[in-house]
Amino acid sequence: AQSVTQLDSHVSVSEGTPVLLRCNYSSSYSPSLFWYVQHPNKGLQLLLKYTSAATLVKGINGFEAEFKKSETSFHLTKPSAHMSDAAEYFCVVSSGNTPLVFGKGTRLSVIA
Amino acid sequence: DAGVIQSPRHEVTEMGQEVTLRCKPISGHNSLFWYRQTMMRGLELLIYFNNNVPIDDSGMPEDRFSAKMPNASFSTLKIQPSEPRDSAVYFCASSLGVLEQFFGPGTRLTVL
Repeated sequence: AQSVTQLDSHVSVSEGTPVLLRCNYSSSYSPSLFWYVQHPNKGLQLLLKYTSAATLVKGINGFEAEFKKSETSFHLTKPSAHMSDAAEYFCVVSSGNTPLVFGKGTRLSVIA
Repeated sequence: DAGVIQSPRHEVTEMGQEVTLRCKPISGHNSLFWYRQTMMRGLELLIYFNNNVPIDDSGMPEDRFSAKMPNASFSTLKIQPSEPRDSAVYFCASSLGVLEQFFGPGTRLTVL
């Protein structure tokens, strides 16, 4: 069985300050992990993915995430928030041939 | 590449009517997924197909919902009869295998 827990339902940051969106996972096998972003009234877009290669993964728009097996975490970070980063972010886990399991999402607000 | 195409983008119907949502996956992808997103329940996997064959439909809410994939380039999700509680955004996604799904823009369904 696999699951993912997004520790914050809502995160608010000021423009230009760092972003940290937290995610913990549970998986019986070596997991693949993803972050997706959903802007208002849009579909989900893949930000980045981890599939057992480098533990620090770089994605689009300056986001990155680090896979920490010992902590079963896959937190999403960005050094400096931009207004356009305001969106819903989903942490996702999959193992082998099982479909993706989505977290409940974290809404990121960016204050000018 | 046009990405995943969904139609219609918006649908407003009255309770009891039949609703058909359509999806064209990305060419070459062999897996197709239908999701439902609501504020209350978040993102739910309804059903997924692999090589046009339904693999897991355990997420389909009830017999009023049915999905088909007659060929590799087309799928439908049908609700008959529709009810107000079916109001949601329905997403279709496709992938090669089950990893790294690409989402369509969604169909916003409102049942009055």
